[in-house]
Amino acid sequence: SQKIEQNSEALNIQEGKTATLTCNYTNYSPAYLQWYRQDPGRGPVFLLLIRENEKEKRKERLKVTFDTTLKQSLFHITASQPADSATYLCAREWGGSYIPTFGRGTSLIVHP
Amino acid sequence: NAGVTQTPKFQVLKTGQSMTLQCAQDMNHEYMSWYRQDPGMGLRLIHYSVGAGITDQGEVPNGYNVSRSTTEDFPLRLLSAAPSQTSVYFCASSNGQGDIQYFGAGTRLSVL
Repeated sequence: SQKIEQNSEALNIQEGKTATLTCNYTNYSPAYLQWYRQDPGRGPVFLLLIRENEKEKRKERLKVTFDTTLKQSLFHITASQPADSATYLCAREWGGSYIPTFGRGTSLIVHP
Repeated sequence: NAGVTQTPKFQVLKTGQSMTLQCAQDMNHEYMSWYRQDPGMGLRLIHYSVGAGITDQGEVPNGYNVSRSTTEDFPLRLLSAAPSQTSVYFCASSNGQGDIQYFGAGTRLSVL
């Protein structure tokens, strides 16, 4: 079955630095990967989508890459701020459906 | 625009009781899904629907039933609650493949 693996350990960085989060997938390459942000007590909020034929996508301070050779997506937040502290979830489609399945998420903590 | 609305926000059940978690969306989305989120486990797909009258099982369907009689509503039924179903439940909707998933605020369920 297709799986999404994210580093379960929290990532602690200093304000102003670039945060890099990793998402690895198994089996065949997904048609897309999505990244979401989740704050405590709230539902996930969509951030970025990257399709299989795209190498890189950017949105303001966010950048995501898709490497089908390494079976990996990297999510970068440049010039990180304490307000970026949250859990970040990676997702791919589940089975033959168009519905995403999620990784466990990585907690990011940005220290002032 | 309300987006995705889940009710109730909190619920406490006794083992063996039944209940229905409600989910409604006002964005005319064809795709709707239910997830549960447990500490350290991330979001796991329970059931999903790709249109009115069409439902299918996700990763962890046992103990849950769904139906989709209208585009707007996608209720999740627990026929006989068990302590293992204590979790936070999220409903989501989207327009289709790779499209943004819009999540509700969640229902926090405790089964004693």
